[in-house]
Parts: sequence; C-alpha cells; structure tokens
Amino acid sequence: AQKITQTQPGMFVQEKEAVTLDCTYDTSDPSYGLFWYKQPSSGEMIFLIYQGSYDQQNATEGRYSLNFQKARKSANLVISASQLGDSAMYFCAMREGSRAGGTSYGKLTFGQGTILTVHP
Amino acid sequence: DTEVTQTPKHLVMGMTNKKSLKCEQHMGHRAMYWYKQKAKKPPELMFVYSYEKLSINESVPSRFSPECPNSSLLNLHLHALQPEDSALYLCASSQGSGGASNQPQHFGDGTRLSIL
Repeated sequence: AQKITQTQPGMFVQEKEAVTLDCTYDTSDPSYGLFWYKQPSSGEMIFLIYQGSYDQQNATEGRYSLNFQKARKSANLVISASQLGDSAMYFCAMREGSRAGGTSYGKLTFGQGTILTVHP
Repeated sequence: DTEVTQTPKHLVMGMTNKKSLKCEQHMGHRAMYWYKQKAKKPPELMFVYSYEKLSINESVPSRFSPECPNSSLLNLHLHALQPEDSALYLCASSQGSGGASNQPQHFGDGTRLSIL
C-alpha cells in the first residue's frame, strides 16, 4: 500500500489565485514528519515546508502553508497568491520515526507528485 | 544556488565506460543520500551514508558503487551501466539521519545521466 498519496497528477491555477495540492499519508508510527518539495524543470528539489506529527499548529513559510489534519491523515499544501515561477512538480514526502534500533536513517517516502501550472 | 553541489550536471557515457558522480556539501551535515529519478516520477532512494558509514543500500545493482571519502563528499562510481540507468541522479544531505527529525534533506541540482 502506498504510504503517500497525491491524487492530483496535474493542477492549473490563475496567477495571483490560491491553490491547494492534496496529500494523504498512511503510517502507524506516532512520530513522523511531513515535507513538501518543489521541483522545477531544471531538476533541483527545493524544500518548502515541514510539519511534525506532534506540532499543534499548521506550518507556514511565506506564501506556503500546510493544512494538517491528523485524524484524516492529510497534509495539503496551500500556495497563496500564485506566481508564474510556482509552475513546477510538487512532491509530498514523509519520514517516519525511529523504530527499535533506530534504523530509519531519515528515509523519505515520496508521493507521485503533482504538476502545477500557473497561467498568466 | 543550492548548498549541495553536484558535478557534472550532464553526463553521457557508453555501457562499457567507468565514470563517477560527485556531491559536496559544507553545511556540516552528517547524513548524505543518493537518489535516482526518472522523468515525472518521484525520487527513489539508492544509498544512505550516516557519519560516513553506509547505512542503507536499497538493493542497488553492484554497477553502482557509492563512496564517502569524508563528511563533506559523496561519490557514486558507475561501471557497465545499462540504458535503463539513464535518469537524473540526485544527492541530498541532512543534519540528522535518524528518527522523525524535522531537519529536511537538502538536494543538489542533480546529474542528468544518459547511457548510450
């Protein structure tokens, strides 16, 4: 079973509008972290925002915010005031906490990604 | 500019060639990673080094050989690759390597590898 699910292969948004990219996850580990990355066509993976499983408040970083609904196991990325430069592939990823022996070594599990296109 | 530097940016090699990909970071991170990424797919983890020791090998074929000469450098030695190995190879580093740390992995720009 997939641990990270991004159900939107592609999304379109008008410049200056807000857009929500969906991400649901599956884990039985009470300690985990959720990350969003942006990958432009140039290839670089750019870290955007982080949400910890024990964080009480939704994470925000500039125009990016994370709508974290723990009971529903969802961690949607909200981009406000979209810009043309936001056009890229967006990946949701999860890092689960250490199990006995601490062998997770920070392994990230990625979703399939969502291609966001911002129209002028 | 990224804080993780990968060279070369592009590499074309024949199936009998030997080449190496290089990755360097000066953020004091103690965990370093190699990923393989096909077009429009998520990155797939290949190797993890933690404190310069190989911690995870995700059943990668032996034609890929990682090396971590010191805490700042990570190499990926390539030999006798196949056409299906053509992909974007991403290096990443993070401050910690275990647990649900909130430290993100920082990625380089990647090396686009083409096997003829």
